[in-house]
Amino acid sequence: DAKTTQPPSMDCAEGRAANLPCNHSTISGNEYVYWYRQIHSQGPQYIIHGLKNNETNEMASLIITEDRKSSTLILPHATLRDTAVYYCIVRVTSGGSNYKLTFGKGTLLTVNP
Amino acid sequence: GAVVSQHPSRVICKSGTSVKIECRSLDFQATTMFWYRQFPKQSLMLMATSNEGSKATYEQGVEKDKFLINHASLTLSTLTVTSAHPEDSSFYICSAHGPGHRARTEAFFGQGTRLTVV
Repeated sequence: DAKTTQPPSMDCAEGRAANLPCNHSTISGNEYVYWYRQIHSQGPQYIIHGLKNNETNEMASLIITEDRKSSTLILPHATLRDTAVYYCIVRVTSGGSNYKLTFGKGTLLTVNP
Repeated sequence: GAVVSQHPSRVICKSGTSVKIECRSLDFQATTMFWYRQFPKQSLMLMATSNEGSKATYEQGVEKDKFLINHASLTLSTLTVTSAHPEDSSFYICSAHGPGHRARTEAFFGQGTRLTVV
């Protein structure tokens, strides 16, 4: 799986948009960008994934650059409960062992009141 | 979304004893399950991959005789930490995948098990 680079930490004010960047300059054509988050002492939670088009769901939006070398996860209105470590992962989505996720260090997002 | 339940959430055991952790997919058939370990202030590290009905595949450096994995059904995988030592104290997390649409493309994780060996 391609390696990703994320800032170690970010702060955001409650109610504001949180924009979390991720660099994945060695991503392959068949690799998707996935975002997960882990709230302290819990298992990771899926947020969103995409291939090349921007994606939006009830939790967040994912913006992928045209060259696919970087992406941004956007939490439109951050709340205190969004404080977590956010992981950007790139991988294929075919079956078997390709489900395997390789976690980097992620970004600790702290939402402040 | 799909639900993965892990049990127990917390366990304390004496050094030298064995501990079993269960991972269940509650509303889908999990053909593949993964076990991760996470030490304090570190990221998740994959320990092994288990496919239903076959032997688990362990990552380099993970002792297969110490961390026994069984995936005998499509809804249950177990991780047994044998002869536990204090250095095995960690947060153990499972994830499950299956043939369903979401379970095929997303990873669903259990809530984790905090193991403390004293």
